[in-house]
Formats: sequence, structure tokens, C-alpha cells
Amino acid sequence: EAGVAQSPRYKIIEKRQSVAFWCNPISGHATLYWYQQILGQGPKLLIQFQNNGVVDDSQLPKDRFSAERLKGVDSTLKIQPAKLEDSAVYLCASSLRDIRGEQFFGPGTRLTVL
Amino acid sequence: LAKTTQPISMDSYEGQEVNITCSHNNIATNDYITWYQQFPSQGPRFIIQGYKTKVTNEVASLFIPADRKSSTLSLPRVSLSDTAVYYCLVGDGGTGGFKTIFGAGTRLFVKA
Repeated sequence: EAGVAQSPRYKIIEKRQSVAFWCNPISGHATLYWYQQILGQGPKLLIQFQNNGVVDDSQLPKDRFSAERLKGVDSTLKIQPAKLEDSAVYLCASSLRDIRGEQFFGPGTRLTVL
Repeated sequence: LAKTTQPISMDSYEGQEVNITCSHNNIATNDYITWYQQFPSQGPRFIIQGYKTKVTNEVASLFIPADRKSSTLSLPRVSLSDTAVYYCLVGDGGTGGFKTIFGAGTRLFVKA
């Protein structure tokens, strides 16, 4: 079974530039998550989708971050404009819609904002 | 969502049993307890999940007392490769998918 795919793996940009990350979840997984993980901290949930609808985006900085999940499969997370404090690893995860809720994580995208 | 508290770090030696305890005083009736493991430069990986009493799989055991206000992850005979960060989470599936909050986790360092 193929895992969660993310691209790019690494990205370096200057502040005020824009960047986009892509995630392809495991086939059949209805729930998709985007997390931000700053060095030394646990993952912080940015947004959670159930199919193509948003379940929770309470911690998404909506003035600069946006995310979409077209057709309930792939998802993109965008930052515009980026700030220095956005430097982090952005993790995508997916899970089946069941009580167990085991999340499968992708390798992440390491973003450096200069 | 219930908040969890766990030790920031732990040291152990190869071959020892490691027990990491997590406190979740405000756990709700429908909440499950889930543990994830994260190696550097990788995403977290599911280890084990339980609701009450004891759960065991090929990797670990999870002990949950009757009041469910805490839980203990037990790793038998750890090796150097078990050096990682371990996260305790509580949450329930619900209709919108499993909602979870990752804390800072416990950094386990296994020494030779």
C-alpha cells in the first residue's frame, strides 16, 4: 500500500514570497490533516478535511495560509506571504473515517524562510 | 479535547523496559488514548491505541487504569533504534474524523 506522498521535500524561500505544498493521501482515506511542526515541538494541527469539507481550521493563520482539497483527494497548502516564523516542517497525514483514527503521516516538507 | 501531560525526556539503556506515563485528567467518555513515535526527519508513526485496561501489540503495551485519567506506554527491551519522541494523544473519531492535539512529547534516549 502506497503511503502519504508530499512534495516538495525541501523548500527555501525569502520572506514575503509565496510557497505551496502538495499532499496525496492514502487511497480511500476520507480524513486529511495538515500539521506544522517547529523544531523541538510537537506537530500543530493547521487544518483537517473530511472528504473535501473543512472540519477544523481554528489554528490556521487565515491571513496568510490557505488550503484546499479538491475532489476529496489531493490537497495543497499555501502560504502567502511567508514570514520568518513559518520556517518549519509541514506534515500531511490521512486516516480512515473510523473510531480508531490511526493517522498515516507523509515525510513532510521542510520550509526555510530567509 | 483533553490535554495531556508527559515527561519531557527519559534516558534508558539497551535491553531495559521503558515505561512512559501520560496524564489526561479531563479525558472524555468517548476518548481513545493513542501513542505515536517520531524519529528525526520523519512524520509520527502510530504505535498503539486503547480505551481501557491493557492493550498489547508486537511493539508495545498500553496500560490504562479504571479511571482512565492516565496511561502508561511500555516498551519491552528497548534498543538504540527506539530513541525517538513519543506522543500521547486523547481524542475520539466523531463524525468529522479523529481530532487530536500533539503535545511536546517525551524524548526517549536509549544508550548502549
